[in-house]
Amino acid sequence: DQQVKQNSPSLSVQEGRISILNCDYTNSMFDYFLWYKKYPAEGPTFLISISSIKDKNEDGRFTVFLNKSAKHLSLHIVPSQPGDSAVYFCAASGTSGTYKYIFGTGTRLKVLA
Amino acid sequence: DAGVIQSPRHEVTEMGQEVTLRCKPISGHNSLFWYRQTMMRGLELLIYFNNNVPIDDSGMPEDRFSAKMPNASFSTLKIQPSEPRDSAVYFCASRRTSIDGDEQFFGPGTRLTVL
Repeated sequence: DQQVKQNSPSLSVQEGRISILNCDYTNSMFDYFLWYKKYPAEGPTFLISISSIKDKNEDGRFTVFLNKSAKHLSLHIVPSQPGDSAVYFCAASGTSGTYKYIFGTGTRLKVLA
Repeated sequence: DAGVIQSPRHEVTEMGQEVTLRCKPISGHNSLFWYRQTMMRGLELLIYFNNNVPIDDSGMPEDRFSAKMPNASFSTLKIQPSEPRDSAVYFCASRRTSIDGDEQFFGPGTRLTVL
């Protein structure tokens, strides 16, 4: 039973446009969420996170939005660049600082030049 | 810092053989995690250690899987006997407990193929 779901396995976007990656979760006890980016033959790297006390967190071109009532979060990348092409994983944990993350299955983003 | 180091990077073995995957966490990190990545299930947490002590091994799929952390700088994940369905990429990650952030740092992974 997937507690963290990324329903879109892949997404293609033109360079310069906005990329929106979505993630849904089922466990209302989750209160800390992260996005990781993974290039081929490399391990995932941390991108951005958000605590449930916020509904938005921004870091440069990357913004994560959290809708607690819908148990939904999204990652916006503006503007998208070819170097953003990677697999993006959404992750959730029970409390900030808890060791255990639950990851989704990932969304493969392809940014077309 | 060298980051999390995993070896081997690729392993091909035959069904029934023992496989040992190795991990060296980032120096100073006190939590270590083993994950398995598959297309169907994404990144699954197998087990994690805090201060070398196994805290949660509920993700370990079967008794064929075992993990150890004899000291703060080394951990192993062993599969004995291996089966074709164990084929996946196995990641090790480490984390330092602090108020500065909760991110885990991943190694490059070991791609395991069991024939």
